[in-house]
Amino acid sequence: EDQVTQSPEALRLQEGESSSLNCSYTVSGLRGLFWYRQDPGKGPEFLFTLYSAGEEKEKERLKATLTKKESFLHITAPKPEDSATYLCAVQGRGQNFVFGPGTRLSVLP
Amino acid sequence: DSGVTQTPKHLITATGQRVTLRCSPRSGDLSVYWYQQSLDQGLQFLIQYYNGEERAKGNILERFSAQQFPDLHSELNLSSLELGDSALYFCASSVEEGLAGAPTDTQYFGPGTRLTVL
Repeated sequence: EDQVTQSPEALRLQEGESSSLNCSYTVSGLRGLFWYRQDPGKGPEFLFTLYSAGEEKEKERLKATLTKKESFLHITAPKPEDSATYLCAVQGRGQNFVFGPGTRLSVLP
Repeated sequence: DSGVTQTPKHLITATGQRVTLRCSPRSGDLSVYWYQQSLDQGLQFLIQYYNGEERAKGNILERFSAQQFPDLHSELNLSSLELGDSALYFCASSVEEGLAGAPTDTQYFGPGTRLTVL
């Protein structure tokens, strides 16, 4: 059974304090690993898709990396507007999408 | 704004009733996905349609059904509602089907329908 766990459950950072979020997964035949951000009461907003181990993608202050067992979302010099819940998801050979529980990030000014 | 629209925004109903949630995908997107998000279960994939055909099935209950119409909009039907069905229901769309062997496609989520079952 495909599974996704995320850590930490919640993270509080000062503005400018860089950190990383972890997504650990088990999946049969990884077809893609996704990162989304979600603001309260809104739909998830797409950030990245990673397809194979060793792949990295960057967007503004965010960088996502992928290994065979986990992915990291690195946040460099975060700002208060980066506060959100960050969701990781995988799609395996069965084409089912499995989401992790998310990491609630708070960036304090 | 992702370009995906969902109606209604809020829905309050009673146990045992049946409701229909509607989703219009982004212009040009052929694939539609349905998700349920509750506080205790997180975001759960329910079902995917591509160009009118069912493509993938997740944790969708037998009381729930969906379809995608020729104009590509989709409807999620929930029947014999229970208190535990109260949740946010999201629709997402993407261009491609995510065919086996091909990179899977980016999904764009709608704003959701909040269902409350009393």
